[in-house]
Amino acid sequence: EIVMTQSPATLSVSPGERATLSCRSSQSITTNLAWYQQKPGQPPRLLIYTASTRATGFPARFSGSGSGTEFTLTITSLQSEDFVVYYCQQYDKWPYTFGQGTKLEI
Amino acid sequence: QVQLQESGPGLVRPSETLSLTCSVSGDSISSYFWNWIRQSPGKGLEWIGCIYNRGNTNYNPSLKSRVSISVDTSKNQFSLNLRSVTAADTAIYFCARETLGLDSWGRGTLVAVSS
Repeated sequence: EIVMTQSPATLSVSPGERATLSCRSSQSITTNLAWYQQKPGQPPRLLIYTASTRATGFPARFSGSGSGTEFTLTITSLQSEDFVVYYCQQYDKWPYTFGQGTKLEI
Repeated sequence: QVQLQESGPGLVRPSETLSLTCSVSGDSISSYFWNWIRQSPGKGLEWIGCIYNRGNTNYNPSLKSRVSISVDTSKNQFSLNLRSVTAADTAIYFCARETLGLDSWGRGTLVAVSS
């Protein structure tokens, strides 16, 4: 199976700053990568698909990039509601696999 | 707007079968791929499997010997059966629709395995 590795596990930033989250796959997945945002007590919510396409309802300060094995989620001008957990997931090959998550904290 | 709702017992005895149903509204279950995912503190998010094209399935090899997913198109539902459960199967179980990524999720249901 494809192993997804996210870094860092926890990222400490301040409101208004920029956060850069990384995700690496153990083999090339082209751009078959999604990012999810998960708030406490809620299911994950699709944030980015095909590595860089923003899902409905998310503002432009969320952006994704990368292809192959290296991917990045960038969040600019951090707002208080952004300090939650983010997961990457590959859907290039079954079994689909997720990274272990990055928690954004103030 | 599609909505998904998981239902089933919140407590299952060890060695028994965990059975959950996902009811879908706002979309036909005959379209797209329909997935089960679980989340536990020890293992994060784990993809269990999916069903598509009215009955084709694909399962996570780590669970393949114990899992089955089925669909009831007349009720617009799909179901998960996980056999011979242990405490390691305690988790929140989610159902989700897949288009490009898992774009719609149920709220999840907590299933505890305990005697």
